[in-house]
Amino acid sequence: QQQVKQSPQSLIVQKGGISIINCAYENTAFDYFPWYQQFPGKGPALLIAIRPDVSEKKEGRFTISFNKSAKQFSLHIMDSQPGDSATYFCAASKGGYSTLTFGKGTMLLVSP
Amino acid sequence: DAGVIQSPRHEVTEMGQEVTLRCKPISGHNSLFWYRQTMMRGLELLIYFNNNVPIDDSGMPEDRFSAKMPNASFSTLKIQPSEPRDSAVYFCASRKISGSTNEKLFFGSGTQLSVL
Repeated sequence: QQQVKQSPQSLIVQKGGISIINCAYENTAFDYFPWYQQFPGKGPALLIAIRPDVSEKKEGRFTISFNKSAKQFSLHIMDSQPGDSATYFCAASKGGYSTLTFGKGTMLLVSP
Repeated sequence: DAGVIQSPRHEVTEMGQEVTLRCKPISGHNSLFWYRQTMMRGLELLIYFNNNVPIDDSGMPEDRFSAKMPNASFSTLKIQPSEPRDSAVYFCASRKISGSTNEKLFFGSGTQLSVL
């Protein structure tokens, strides 16, 4: 599997701050880039996803920024809240029936 | 919809014992995945099925691991014999394949396996 590199491994942000998690990929054939959110004791759940035909996608406080030339994409959480404390995984896949390649995850802690 | 159902939630066993993890995918989903999650390696894909047929098992660590999907509503992941290094959280996930789009993947709550 092609690798998806995620950073940082962990992140502490104050309530109201901006959380930023970055991912880089190698395979230029990837055309689907989702972010999954995982709370303790639960499985990951899809948070937001983007395709390379747009450079940004926003859903509420969550935004994906995509840089095709740099082969990088990032998740921005605006006005971070303690309830956002979770592990976040970026992922990538090619079209069709292909599987997701996940990053190793980022543990986010939003302090009150 | 009950979501993806995994059992048991927790399993503690001794080295050398057989372990069987079970999964019921969401009704109507035709693709099923088994993942293993550890702190060191993150989420690793072990095997996935499309329409009950194993497509790629290259992620299965070794012959001690086997997976079956006898029908569209049930899958098992078996480890025999189990070893302490198999301790991890095992997730089952399912999705509905339609056309050429990447459909959302739904995860179960996982099975926490501890091999002593």
